[in-house]
Amino acid sequence: QSVLTQPPSASGTPGQRVTISCSGSNSNIGSNYVFWYQQLPGTAPKVLIYRNNQRPSGVPDRFSGSKSGTSASLAISGLRSEDEADYHCATWDDSLGGWVFGGGTKVTVL
Amino acid sequence: QVQLVQSGAEVQKPGSSVKVSCKASGGTFSSYAVVWVRQAPGQGLEWMGSVVHRYGTSNYARKFQGRVTISTDESASTVYLEMSSLRSEDTAVYYCAIWGMGGRDTWFDPWGQGTLVAVSS
Repeated sequence: QSVLTQPPSASGTPGQRVTISCSGSNSNIGSNYVFWYQQLPGTAPKVLIYRNNQRPSGVPDRFSGSKSGTSASLAISGLRSEDEADYHCATWDDSLGGWVFGGGTKVTVL
Repeated sequence: QVQLVQSGAEVQKPGSSVKVSCKASGGTFSSYAVVWVRQAPGQGLEWMGSVVHRYGTSNYARKFQGRVTISTDESASTVYLEMSSLRSEDTAVYYCAIWGMGGRDTWFDPWGQGTLVAVSS
């Protein structure tokens, strides 16, 4: 059972907008930055969003992150077939003294 | 840009130990922190522990304390994850990743390619 809660799956047709939620508590999301990792099939995760809403160089601006209170979300606009992947949210937890992840959301492009 | 290369897949028996390596190429770990994260089949990511080299400190997730050790061989630019008393539930892909300077505002990048550890009798 993951500390952060994500929906197990999300889907959309090419060009649509998909949003993935990540819910936590005051000791994690409520007081720390949120990070999002993209994991393409059969590969290691890669950072997609850092510090709630920042994109590393090379990440398309179709990907955006936001945070409000104890929840965060990742939005993918203009969905493309190459966006089919698992998406994981992560943050530091002050009570546990370590990193916590969501269970991951599998995005399918219909 | 530092790249991380991990050791190959392992098959271990229940109750035994395993040691997975993570070698930095194109750089060293001396000023970086390193984390170990695992992913059981079909599951999400799970942080196991980390080492912050500038302070020489290690930190472990509560469920792994006493069973996992992270160590570093600076001369070989290699970080190790050793786990004992293996059980079937430890079957997973184990990843190492650079964690910048080791602050809670820093992300994991880059990642190693992953090492499959299968625990089976």
